[in-house]
Amino acid sequence: GAGVSQSPSNKVTEKGKDVELRCDPISGHTALYWYRQSLGQGLEFLIYFQGNSAPDKSGLPSDRFSAERTGGSVSTLTIQRTQQEDSAVYLCASSLVDREAFFGQGTRLTVV
Amino acid sequence: AQTVTQSQPEMSVQEAETVTLSCTYDTSESDYYLFWYKQPPSRQMILVIRQEAYKQQNATENRFSVNFQKAAKSFSLKISDSQLGDAAMYFCAYRRFSGGGADGLTFGKGTHLIIQP
Repeated sequence: GAGVSQSPSNKVTEKGKDVELRCDPISGHTALYWYRQSLGQGLEFLIYFQGNSAPDKSGLPSDRFSAERTGGSVSTLTIQRTQQEDSAVYLCASSLVDREAFFGQGTRLTVV
Repeated sequence: AQTVTQSQPEMSVQEAETVTLSCTYDTSESDYYLFWYKQPPSRQMILVIRQEAYKQQNATENRFSVNFQKAAKSFSLKISDSQLGDAAMYFCAYRRFSGGGADGLTFGKGTHLIIQP
């Protein structure tokens, strides 16, 4: 596609449920990032994929968070047993190496 | 680890005036990139301007320009002839020259820009 696509745009889930957030990066971009943006806050790095290398998971806040990237393209961020503090906008970005990142419109997750 | 600091949580400017948003950063690298991103209420982060650290010339994109002071580790954004559509959160970001990882793209906490008609 022409840009980074994220789905769903908005997600409301009950506390304790699992959620999956999807990111479809720009075709050909080898790098993919997930960020979390809490209300009024900056961007918190979560995880980074680069080509076929092992992902950099150093930003994941707990073992309830995981992500995968299949075939070097689409990525899924999974949050298990969601908590209210997980409520945030989850942004995905992709880029070529050493180039600027292009962002999707994000998924607004609300845990009730 | 690299850090990016935006000391102005909020700025306000009259339409058609000029405003400057501040950004400082800390790094031990000599080669890197700096970016300004804009985030309107739609949530989409939009690249406004980029600067390569090895270039001495300040980047310019239409009404947007930067003042890059490498020795001072300062990277301010100037918006000339401010327009209502410029109202948004502005994030300064740093990226080291090679690769990515946790410190490959580091953001400041943002400046909320208000344009007064």
